[in-house]
Amino acid sequence: DAKTTQPNSMESNEEEPVHLPCNHSTISGTDYIHWYRQLPSQGPEYVIHGLTSNVNNRMASLAIAEDRKSSTLILHRATLRDAAVYYCILRVMEYGNKLVFGAGTILRVKS
Amino acid sequence: DTAVSQTPKYLVTQMGNDKSIKCEQNLGHDTMYWYKQDSKKFLKIMFSYNNKELIINETVPNRFSPKSPDKAHLNLHINSLELGDSAVYFCASSQVGTKNIQYFGAGTRLSVL
Repeated sequence: DAKTTQPNSMESNEEEPVHLPCNHSTISGTDYIHWYRQLPSQGPEYVIHGLTSNVNNRMASLAIAEDRKSSTLILHRATLRDAAVYYCILRVMEYGNKLVFGAGTILRVKS
Repeated sequence: DTAVSQTPKYLVTQMGNDKSIKCEQNLGHDTMYWYKQDSKKFLKIMFSYNNKELIINETVPNRFSPKSPDKAHLNLHINSLELGDSAVYFCASSQVGTKNIQYFGAGTRLSVL
């Protein structure tokens, strides 16, 4: 299974940007990088995904390294509601759309 | 209107019992999944169905049997429940071809005593 490495936890102040890193040195050319997050007592929620180029949506931005061996999820202004576990996942391009979740990064946001 | 709904939300039962968890999605998706999140919080895929056909089966004991009566429903039946089955079970759905983003239910917390 395609593997990603993330810090166990990170802390941020409210209203400040947060950069969540992810290493995926074994990524293959067709693997998409997906980010999901899981708020306390809820199911995972899609955040953003990309292949090669940087991506922006209303929730976050995704910066992908040129060699694609790492990426960074950027929350532009963290709020208390962003406190969650953030998962960086390589989507395996086989029929069935398999997601392999790692341990993720616990993001704590301080007011 | 909840996109992916699971019932029940909580399930407490004795070892050896048989139980079912139901999942329904109203997103019109063609693929549904079951995941298990254990006490260490690791999320692992168990099964995936596309148009009622099993396409992923991740080394799950035979006591677990998914059933998909139609593409909007994927139920999970568990026979002879064991202590180690205690976990949170999540249902998800996606549509092949449209970025394959998965939408998850709120989870069913199963406690086996």
